[in-house]
Order: sequence, then structure tokens, then C-alpha cells
Amino acid sequence: NAGVTQTPKFQVLKTGQSMTLQCAQDMNHNSMYWYRQDPGMGLRLIYYSASEGTTDKGEVPNGYNVSRLNKREFSLRLESAAPSQTSVYFCASASSGNEQFFGPGTRLTVL
Amino acid sequence: GEDVEQSLFLSVREGDSSVINCTYTDSSSTYLYWYKQEPGAGLQLLTYIFSNMDMKQDQRLTVLLNKKDKHLSLRIADTQTGDSAIYFCAEKGNSGGSYIPTFGRGTSLIVHP
Repeated sequence: NAGVTQTPKFQVLKTGQSMTLQCAQDMNHNSMYWYRQDPGMGLRLIYYSASEGTTDKGEVPNGYNVSRLNKREFSLRLESAAPSQTSVYFCASASSGNEQFFGPGTRLTVL
Repeated sequence: GEDVEQSLFLSVREGDSSVINCTYTDSSSTYLYWYKQEPGAGLQLLTYIFSNMDMKQDQRLTVLLNKKDKHLSLRIADTQTGDSAIYFCAEKGNSGGSYIPTFGRGTSLIVHP
């Protein structure tokens, strides 16, 4: 049971480049989430997917798109990266229960 | 909207007790959580408490909930250097449908010898 996996672990982009962050979970969870974490800001929700086939905006969706490819996978795309998107990105999943399970994070730097 | 507040830093000596405090605004909160984030890692659930409970104890951890004041605390007894981490308070409201917790900004616990 790998839990929640994220790729890549680290990425450096130039302003204007695009990339996709991948996330997968093997716990058969319905809900998946993308957060960004910045110093002193805690976790801010970018997008979430309550179930396969649905996605909704969170607190800070601008500049991002998501795809819930199937029940296991939820990807986050930056179409035209900006320095303000330098952050640590966490994917999480949850069943209808009480706990979110988090991936190890992707550390993204946009120059 | 919902808001969860916690202080940003706490420094304690090894062996002492640590108390991390949190306040929240959503009176319909059904569950309240404490997550721990170690350096370079994601968050892991430490413990949670139902809103109809006042206290929950789990080994060195004690969670106290004052629902009237919307105040949650996490006490770590005999704090060790391995407890150094960021601790996040989170609450889940009774909105039904999707499970979307609201997180505080996190308290960095620094344990020194």
C-alpha cells in the first residue's frame, strides 16, 4: 500500500513554461485534493474532486487546471508558470470518513 | 466563512509539556483534527476529536475541546526532540457532501535540549 504518491518531487521552471503535477492514491478514496503550502500561510486549497468525474475550485484556483483522470489519479496543470506559483504542492485523498492522507509534496520553483 | 487560528511558533525544553492552542469559528464543526508535518514531508493525522467530546487522550497526547469558546488544544507530555514539527489544527464543518476541512496556518514546535 503506497498511499498517496506524487511526481515529481522537485521541479524548476522558467516563467511561462507549463507542467503537470501527478498524484495517485491506492486506497480507493473518492475525494482528492490539491493544496499549496507557503511559509506562514498554512495550506490553501487549489482544487478538489469529490468523486470521479467531478472537480471544483478551492480557495486559490487561478493559474491552475485539474483533471480527475480516474478514481486513482488527480493531476494539477500549470499552463503558464509564474514566480508567484513557487511553492510546495501537496496532493491528498480521503474517503467519506475523518482523515485526509497526504502525499510527500512537490517542491516547485519558478524563475 | 470558517476560520481557524493558531499561533505560529512554540519553543519548549526537552522533557517539558507543550500546549498548542487553536480557535475556530464554525459552530457546526463536527470533527476537529491535529495534523503533524515533519520537515520535508506531508501532513499526517495525529489525532481527532468529535465535537460532542471534551477530552481525548492517546499516550502522550491530550486533546481538550471547549465547544462554548470554540477552543481546541493539543498537549504533548514529556516533549522530545522528535516532536519538533509543524502542527496544524483543522476543522470539518457539517456541510454534508464533500469533505473539505479548514486548516490553520500551523504552529512550529521547536524542542531544545
